[in-house]
Amino acid sequence: SQQGEEDPQALSIQEGENATMNCSYKTSINNLQWYRQNSGRGLVHLILIRSNEREKHSGRLRVTLDTSKKSSSLLITASRAADTASYFCATDASPWGSQGNLIFGKGTKLSVKP
Amino acid sequence: DAGITQSPRHKVTETGTPVTLRCHQTENHRYMYWYRQDPGHGLRLIHYSYGVKDTDKGEVSDGYSVSRSKTEDFLLTLESATSSQTSVYFCATQGRETQYFGPGTRLLVL
Repeated sequence: SQQGEEDPQALSIQEGENATMNCSYKTSINNLQWYRQNSGRGLVHLILIRSNEREKHSGRLRVTLDTSKKSSSLLITASRAADTASYFCATDASPWGSQGNLIFGKGTKLSVKP
Repeated sequence: DAGITQSPRHKVTETGTPVTLRCHQTENHRYMYWYRQDPGHGLRLIHYSYGVKDTDKGEVSDGYSVSRSKTEDFLLTLESATSSQTSVYFCATQGRETQYFGPGTRLLVL
């Protein structure tokens, strides 16, 4: 069953604008991760936020996590045409002693127009 | 990248034939995963392995089997391919906290 659900499904913006994608999930998690997928390629890890963290930054990326609402958001600031890709959230709810059974959402398709 | 390769990268096969996809990693990661990606479904876990000869089912394991005889290789077998198994298949390994993905295999079952 799908754990994470991204919103919106598709987003089209102009270069230089900010892009915000949201992810909601259903169960308690250890961490939440965001991945990026360029067309025809494999997924690439962007950023991880643990369940005891509220906000994390990495370059132009900002991730927030609200465990009370079971939701996360990914903000990409000053977007570039090269940011055009699909973005997936993935939740890790692995039981203690096991590792990395991620459940992925369906993704947000971001298009950044030059 | 964690040095993950998949072969073949593209395959066309006929319904009822067996198909084996290979994933090879050079990072000595213990955990390996097979996912399928379909429009409207995102990535769904088929099977995973937590060590040599140790495997377990994922969310969509019916019609698939896996084997792991060496740390670096994880094979996915479709015993008798069906059209519903037309998909893009991704292998991944588990690093310290995150997963590393291969480039994918595009499979078309006619």
